[in-house]
Amino acid sequence: GAGVSQSPSNKVTEKGKDVELRCDPISGHTALYWYRQSLGQGLEFLIYFQGNSAPDKSGLPSDRFSAERTGGSVSTLTIQRTQQEDSAVYLCASSSVSGGAGELFFGEGSRLTVL
Amino acid sequence: DQQVKQNSPSLSVQEGRISILNCDYTNSMFDYFLWYKKYPAEGPTFLISISSIKDKNEDGRFTVFLNKSAKHLSLHIVPSQPGDSAVYFCAASGRAAGNKLTFGGGTRVLVKP
Repeated sequence: GAGVSQSPSNKVTEKGKDVELRCDPISGHTALYWYRQSLGQGLEFLIYFQGNSAPDKSGLPSDRFSAERTGGSVSTLTIQRTQQEDSAVYLCASSSVSGGAGELFFGEGSRLTVL
Repeated sequence: DQQVKQNSPSLSVQEGRISILNCDYTNSMFDYFLWYKKYPAEGPTFLISISSIKDKNEDGRFTVFLNKSAKHLSLHIVPSQPGDSAVYFCAASGRAAGNKLTFGGGTRVLVKP
């Protein structure tokens, strides 16, 4: 498709399990972002990729969270030993602007529920 | 600390009237501002933006105003339509503020027919 694609769209997991969330950005977009939206909250920045490198990881809440990007395209966000407070919608966005965020194009998000 | 704030969590307006959404920011390094619209179970979609060198940008029914001295921006929707009912997020960015968008908490708009 032409837009940002995220999978899974919904994930229910038990506390303590690991989860992987995937993002396919728009083809040719060099910048990729992960945000999350907890219930009733705004969008919280997690990490930003320029190509395969992550110049800004400042939003990752703890060392249980990690992300990688390969081939300048697909990105995976991994949450280890999930906790109930990790429940949120995880949004991926991409942009063609390198250096300075311009318009971001968002996927539909992956809703994570930790029981 | 919240660098971008939307102090009104919700707004209700009659169809055909004007909707005014407000946003305040604290980081003077921000130089580009955007509004996003979000429907339930969908990702946010870009609506309109403004650079800090301007004080107004208009696109159809949507106008964004920027007051740099007050660190305040607003989005005007006129006339409001039922399809405008959504959550609206204000966002800001700047090369000196990091290569990311910082979002406000959102304002839920309900346009009543």
